[in-house]
Amino acid sequence: NAGVTQTPKFQVLKTGQSMTLQCAQDMNHEYMSWYRQDPGMGLRLIHYSVGAGITDQGEVPNGYNVSRSTTEDFPLRLLSAAPSQTSVYFCASSYSARGAPGANVLTFGAGSRLTVL
Amino acid sequence: KQEVTQIPAALSVPEGENLVLNCSFTDSAIYNLQWFRQDPGKGLTSLLLIQSSQREQTSGRLNASLDKSSGRSTLYIAASQPGDSATYLCAVRPLRGAGNNRKLIWGLGTSLAVNP
Repeated sequence: NAGVTQTPKFQVLKTGQSMTLQCAQDMNHEYMSWYRQDPGMGLRLIHYSVGAGITDQGEVPNGYNVSRSTTEDFPLRLLSAAPSQTSVYFCASSYSARGAPGANVLTFGAGSRLTVL
Repeated sequence: KQEVTQIPAALSVPEGENLVLNCSFTDSAIYNLQWFRQDPGKGLTSLLLIQSSQREQTSGRLNASLDKSSGRSTLYIAASQPGDSATYLCAVRPLRGAGNNRKLIWGLGTSLAVNP
């Protein structure tokens, strides 16, 4: 029962490099999202998806791209890394973004710590 | 604009104490409120979800209450143990606007240390 799996756990990039953070869930969840967590700022939503083929922007989408070609996978792409993107990134999923309360409960991955030099 | 505040930012207690963590929100128009636990270097684990129509939810030694009118939720931990040491976050899902999970509003958390 893997839940939400994020890779890599740690990554160091140089300014201007690109990379993809991977997120996969095996719970057939409809809703998937990416957050970043920074000290003193809490969790901020980057992008989210309510189903395969559907994505939308969250609070802080600039510099990031996402796609949702399958229900299971929701990769986050950094196009040209900047030091301001140094953060811990979390992928989270839930059965649904609406409907019954239990469907809204978020399951989080273990996080990916990214440092941009 | 909905804002979520958690006070205190940090709390240290001896093992065995009953304790209360606070979460306050500025707009009472919420769909639900969730409490999460985060261990150092780990992801978040959902503890309890309270719908706006509910007053409380219980899971084991944890009890979460919700008072929409005063904009407050409390997480009560009974007979605290060192294993309860973690950061506890609350998140509110507003009723207005798109009203989906993407609009969760997060507090900054309370860092709890339970000392043996």
